[in-house]
Amino acid sequence: DTAVSQTPKYLVTQMGNDKSIKCEQNLGHDTMYWYKQDSKKFLKIMFSYNNKELIINETVPNRFSPKSPDKAHLNLHINSLELGDSAVYFCASKTGTGGYEQYFGPGTRLTVT
Amino acid sequence: GQNIDQPTEMTATEGAIVQINCTYQTSGFNGLFWYQQHAGEAPTFLSYNVLDGLEEKGRFSSFLSRSKGYSYLLLKELQMKDSASYLCAVRGPITGGGNKLTFGTGTQLKVEL
Repeated sequence: DTAVSQTPKYLVTQMGNDKSIKCEQNLGHDTMYWYKQDSKKFLKIMFSYNNKELIINETVPNRFSPKSPDKAHLNLHINSLELGDSAVYFCASKTGTGGYEQYFGPGTRLTVT
Repeated sequence: GQNIDQPTEMTATEGAIVQINCTYQTSGFNGLFWYQQHAGEAPTFLSYNVLDGLEEKGRFSSFLSRSKGYSYLLLKELQMKDSASYLCAVRGPITGGGNKLTFGTGTQLKVEL
């Protein structure tokens, strides 16, 4: 049974396009995250939502817009894609009550050409 | 903010013991995590330390000294499957139910015969 799932797993697109990545967790967790892992494998947080409310918003270009329709889903929409957006994007989730371990999805490898 | 340092690469022999160090400078500390990440896969949780001392979990142990801003991950009886990147991450102040993790750049461990 998949705990945190992401679609698509691979995404190849051209500069200037708009694309979305979807994330779903079936763990009943309250908090979800988006991370970006660049070519040097540096993993950096972008956004976090708790019960559909944005609680962490790092210094990310406003071309990136997260949306949480319910607490089991957190999607990431990216407008006007740039070469530098090429990376692996990981979704993660955590229980909001006393928990600390974050469970990561399999990642979406985005390549912008 | 957070500043986290760990060695970029390490090599060890199957069956041996290896220690991966992590030092951090932080404004607000709520625990230190170690994650394992195999190539092309998601990070998976290994350990969590919030108090000083050693936490042991099977072949893996993690140590924390908050006064020194120092942690290490100890891997015993190394196996080939332990070849992976090991990510040290510090949790900052908890805001609105979320806990922001700041990751180091990871230590790529190669286990050889």
